[in-house]
Amino acid sequence: NAGVTQTPKFQVLKTGQSMTLQCAQDMNHNSMYWYRQDPGMGLRLIYYSASEGTTDKGEVPNGYNVSRLNKREFSLRLESAAPSQTSVYFCASSAANTDQPQHFGDGTRLSIL
Amino acid sequence: KQEVTQIPAALSVPEGENLVLNCSFTDSAIYNLQWFRQDPGKGLTSLLLIQSSQREQTSGRLNASLDKSSGRSTLYIAASQPGDSATYLCAACAPNTGFQKLVFGTGTRLLVSP
Repeated sequence: NAGVTQTPKFQVLKTGQSMTLQCAQDMNHNSMYWYRQDPGMGLRLIYYSASEGTTDKGEVPNGYNVSRLNKREFSLRLESAAPSQTSVYFCASSAANTDQPQHFGDGTRLSIL
Repeated sequence: KQEVTQIPAALSVPEGENLVLNCSFTDSAIYNLQWFRQDPGKGLTSLLLIQSSQREQTSGRLNASLDKSSGRSTLYIAASQPGDSATYLCAACAPNTGFQKLVFGTGTRLLVSP
């Protein structure tokens, strides 16, 4: 009963380093999403993938890239990390029909020094 | 651009009280309105989803209502318990085909004291 699984759970990077956040879902959902959550700002959409093979920018895409590897997996890459990217990152997924809620992972807490 | 506001930002009540959390949105052209719960250090857990054609949804002690014309949704929690302590988030879903474009409020942090 895994749902949405994110790895790693915690990470500390130095400015300029790169890393990839991994996300996998086992609910056969078509759509997947990456959000960041910052104090006082709520969750903001970074990128989404409406279906396998497609990706689109959300509200705050600068400094990030994504890959929809297959129907299960959706990764988020920081090419050159900046302190402003210190945040909690959440992956979510949803079915094609919009009468079902999004399902979220437990998040990755990322600090960039 | 859709904006979602939640008031109050924080709420502290004694156990047993009935309470109401408020959510307002600026664009009434929504597909659905979703309520989530977030425990410290955890992800979001879906509580209720109200379709734009519905007025309310109920799950146990939770009842969520939706008034699109006024741009408001409320989450009613009956007989609150310490285990209800968490942050509650609402999100408005824009009408798109095949995926959910959610705009979140910043949440109401609820503390229920024994």
